[in-house]
Amino acid sequence: DTGVSQDPRHKITKRGQNVTFRCDPISEHNRLYWYRQTLGQGPEFLTYFQNEAQLEKSRLLSNRFSAERPKGSFSTLEIQRTEQGDSAMYLCASSLSPGGSYNEQFFGPGTRLTVL
Amino acid sequence: GIQVEQSPPDLILQEGANSTLRCNFSDSVNNLQWFHQNPWGQLINLFYIPSGTKQNGRLSATTVATERYSLLYISSSQTTDSGVYFCAVGNAGNMLTFGGGTRLMVKP
Repeated sequence: DTGVSQDPRHKITKRGQNVTFRCDPISEHNRLYWYRQTLGQGPEFLTYFQNEAQLEKSRLLSNRFSAERPKGSFSTLEIQRTEQGDSAMYLCASSLSPGGSYNEQFFGPGTRLTVL
Repeated sequence: GIQVEQSPPDLILQEGANSTLRCNFSDSVNNLQWFHQNPWGQLINLFYIPSGTKQNGRLSATTVATERYSLLYISSSQTTDSGVYFCAVGNAGNMLTFGGGTRLMVKP
């Protein structure tokens, strides 16, 4: 049983460039979440999907950010026109749809983004 | 939104010592998780514990949902226990709200 995987693990880009990250959840999980973590802070929620439907978006998710989960399996997070303030660890998590212990979220290793 | 406070923010222990980490939250929840974040940033699940008590080896956790707090106990600490411990809460399979973490250093 493989866990949540993310690609790439590290990304260095120049300000103004677009970047895209991928997340593959645990295979039977139908909920997928994106979080962002800056240095010294706890992760902050960005958005989540149930199957292919995007159910909630945080105010942190500016219009430069877009997330998709087209077939209800893997998800992509794109940041357009990156800014230095976007530098952070981007974490993906997955869970089985609500129901008791199925609420438990499992996290991937993260993608560390550095914007120069 | 829900507020989550963790204490202490920093903790230094000698190997073999015991410790208690606390998590207070501001509203009722039906999801509470404890994580250990390793130096590479990976969040490792320790407990899913919206209420009650659980134990796993040297670690145990208790959540008193009616009083809106949870405790994580680490006994006989080892240097490999070093890292950041996060408490996160939420409802109905939705987003988790994380506390600020407790940074633990265990010295040999």
